[in-house]
Amino acid sequence: GENVEQHPSTLSVQEGDSAVIKCTYSDSASNYFPWYKQELGKRPQLIIDIRSNVGEKKDQRIAVTLNKTAKHFSLHITETQPEDSAVYFCAASISNTGNQFYFGTGTSLTVIP
Amino acid sequence: GAVVSQHPSRVICKSGTSVKIECRSLDFQATTMFWYRQFPKQSLMLMATSNEGSKATYEQGVEKDKFLINHASLTLSTLTVTSAHPEDSSFYICSARDWRDSYNEQFFGPGTRLTVL
Repeated sequence: GENVEQHPSTLSVQEGDSAVIKCTYSDSASNYFPWYKQELGKRPQLIIDIRSNVGEKKDQRIAVTLNKTAKHFSLHITETQPEDSAVYFCAASISNTGNQFYFGTGTSLTVIP
Repeated sequence: GAVVSQHPSRVICKSGTSVKIECRSLDFQATTMFWYRQFPKQSLMLMATSNEGSKATYEQGVEKDKFLINHASLTLSTLTVTSAHPEDSSFYICSARDWRDSYNEQFFGPGTRLTVL
């Protein structure tokens, strides 16, 4: 099955700086890559996603890049704010074959005011 | 937007008892729902895929006789943890896909915190 690795496991940045989280996946058939933000004890919230037919997607301060050849994708958060502090998970999925999500191990992001 | 609910939000039970968790899609129909388990400070681990009207598909290492899944309607899936033991204590989260949605997005429930004494 699909194996998703995520780095780093913890990340601390100063407010206003950028944060980058990286994920790799093993199954070349994966073609959908969402990113979720999860606060303690709450449900994961989708923040951005990307499909394999594009290499980059941006939504205000958040961007995701995808390198299909290398099988890795990254989340970029610019101008970080304290409310960005949370655990972030990447996931990989294959469309039209069950659409199961396989999650990375998570990154605990702390934005220091 | 799509809303998924779970009930109960918290449950404490004695070892050896069974616990049922409900997952409902409130404003859309879900032919497929997914069940995840999340231990403290760990990732979401997919347990099983629940398809309406058919048997669930379990991930490797998940005991289907211990974690019974029933997806009897397009808006409801249930997970029953049978003969629960302390090691089953965890945060259980469901998600659902809108059958009309050609994309992959899953909508997550708020989770159920299970504590087995």
